Amino acid sequence: GQNIDQPTEMTATEGAIVQINCTYQTSGFNGLFWYQQHAGEAPTFLSYNVLDGLEEKGRFSSFLSRSKGYSYLLLKELQMKDSASYLCAVRDSDTDKLIFGTGTRLQVFP
Amino acid sequence: GAGVSQSPSNKVTEKGKDVELRCDPISGHTALYWYRQSLGQGLEFLIYFQGNSAPDKSGLPSDRFSAERTGGSVSTLTIQRTQQEDSAVYLCASSLDSLAGYLSTDTQYFGPGTRLTVL
Repeated sequence: GQNIDQPTEMTATEGAIVQINCTYQTSGFNGLFWYQQHAGEAPTFLSYNVLDGLEEKGRFSSFLSRSKGYSYLLLKELQMKDSASYLCAVRDSDTDKLIFGTGTRLQVFP
Repeated sequence: GAGVSQSPSNKVTEKGKDVELRCDPISGHTALYWYRQSLGQGLEFLIYFQGNSAPDKSGLPSDRFSAERTGGSVSTLTIQRTQQEDSAVYLCASSLDSLAGYLSTDTQYFGPGTRLTVL
């Protein structure tokens, strides 16, 4: 079967660091994506991991462990504008489809 | 264009009516995807086009849903005899080439969506 799990909601304080976890079970794996989606807007691409390890891109980093079926998105120096939903998506190698989690709604407070 | 565009941005219709949603992908992108996002739900895959052909229609929820793509560019998603449960945001995404290989990001870029409300 195919299943993507991530927390429904998280809160954090401006300037802090937050880690959003994602676990997955898919029949085949061909990469994991993180997208950011502000309320009422389209998802925008944040990061892509296909090999184990950490990918850093400015304040955002994404980590993948294929053996554990696990990824996280790390957001540093949080800003109010980071309040959004963060979607974890796995590309299934058998179908080439992106399977999305339900998203984690992050609220950043002053 | 610079990004994926969709029209209309909002559509309110009465139960039983047909609706057409349009997606204009990024120029040169051969792959096009339709998703549905209901309130509080994840993105639900509907259909995928590679060029003009649709190798994967497995996500279409019923035979009331159909989609076509002409000229390898614009796509139309049609919902016939709409029901209230069809109310959702319909998102379109395009990517350069879904067959680009294992290490290719082949990132999907999303349009702003069409918010469909069926009364």
